[in-house]
Amino acid sequence: GENVEQHPSTLSVQEGDSAVIKCTYSDSASNYFPWYKQELGKRPQLIIDIRSNVGEKKDQRIAVTLNKTAKHFSLHITETQPEDSAVYFCAASIGRGNNDMRFGAGTRLTVKP
Amino acid sequence: NAGVTQTPKFQVLKTGQSMTLQCAQDMNHEYMSWYRQDPGMGLRLIHYSVGAGITDQGEVPNGYNVSRSTTEDFPLRLLSAAPSQTSVYFCASSWFRDSNQPQHFGDGTRLSIL
Repeated sequence: GENVEQHPSTLSVQEGDSAVIKCTYSDSASNYFPWYKQELGKRPQLIIDIRSNVGEKKDQRIAVTLNKTAKHFSLHITETQPEDSAVYFCAASIGRGNNDMRFGAGTRLTVKP
Repeated sequence: NAGVTQTPKFQVLKTGQSMTLQCAQDMNHEYMSWYRQDPGMGLRLIHYSVGAGITDQGEVPNGYNVSRSTTEDFPLRLLSAAPSQTSVYFCASSWFRDSNQPQHFGDGTRLSIL
């Protein structure tokens, strides 16, 4: 079936460094790619999203890039801070009308002060 | 605005019991969905609805039923609970009749099946 692969599963960086998380998807019809941040015991919260008609989107320290030809998209966090520590999930819309959603397995990001 | 409200927050069931997880949203969102989250895995879509009276299956629908009689409510029913259904369940909603809008998640229901 359609799936989303996410790498790495864990990532540790020093405060101030950049962090990059990559995802690949299999459904060529996918057209919506959100990223969620989930702190321990909390709900997932959207941090940024991108649609298939755009190659890059930026919001302050966070950016997402999309390569539709290669079917991969990436999350970039610059100037990382300890409060960026969390689990990050990528996702891709799939299926009839793009009403279905597939999530990656998550990346546990640790930012060391 | 309460957003997406899930009840209960915690529940313990015995194998074979049935129960309903409640989800309500007050944002007049058309799209609602249920996910389960297991350790080391991302969220997996169970069922979704694009509007009142319309539901469809996601990635892992077996053992679960849903209905959407109103725009606000989207309950998830476990027909005969099994230990494999031990998980954290999240309900989510978004504005339009597709998933291409940011989803708002509830706080989750932590369910244990003994």
